[in-house]
Amino acid sequence: AQSVTQLDSQVPVFEEAPVELRCNYSSSVSVYLFWYVQYPNQGLQLLLKYLSGSTLVKGINSFEAEFNKSQTSFHLRKPSVHISDTAEYFCAVSEGGGFKTIFGAGTRLFVKA
Amino acid sequence: NAGVMQNPRHLVRRRGQEARLRCSPMKGHSHVYWYRQLPEEGLKFMVYLQKENIIDESGMPKERFSAEFPKEGPSILRIQQVVRGDSAAYFCASSPPGQGIGGYTFGSGTRLTVV
Repeated sequence: AQSVTQLDSQVPVFEEAPVELRCNYSSSVSVYLFWYVQYPNQGLQLLLKYLSGSTLVKGINSFEAEFNKSQTSFHLRKPSVHISDTAEYFCAVSEGGGFKTIFGAGTRLFVKA
Repeated sequence: NAGVMQNPRHLVRRRGQEARLRCSPMKGHSHVYWYRQLPEEGLKFMVYLQKENIIDESGMPKERFSAEFPKEGPSILRIQQVVRGDSAAYFCASSPPGQGIGGYTFGSGTRLTVV
């Protein structure tokens, strides 16, 4: 069965510093992987997705993620964060051909001035 | 092109009342998914519907909860006889035919508070 583990519940970081939000998943079949961002009192917005092909995926707002099949990871990175990146980030996985997307518990990114 | 529309944004109900949450998918999307987000937790899958069909309701509590997506009109998530533990944010997402492999489009959610 699928599961998604986000290793950090909160990540504080200073503005303009790099950040990495970690995500590991478990699945016995091929998967599709996603990162979503949720700003306060809003819905989730898709940041980026991995379906196939290149393991380095670029998304909106200069975020990128790398799919590592051997480590079953899909960590999210940004080289320089802004105050406006403060939000909750969710990693999600959907097994190939499936419709049900399983979400991790979320990582709260807090960017400090 | 309006996104996924959910209403109401906030809903307060007393214990024992009924809550009705509505979701209108994006234009061209025929698949609707409901998720529940409890405080400090991630999203939990509840149900997947297509027009007039429930495809998977494995995440729905066995009692008091029901969902529908009629031929005309929005999808409705109905919670009967609400209890305090039902307080949560309920999110609807939609996707076009071909299922959700391209990622969902989410609504802004309905925040249900049971008092």
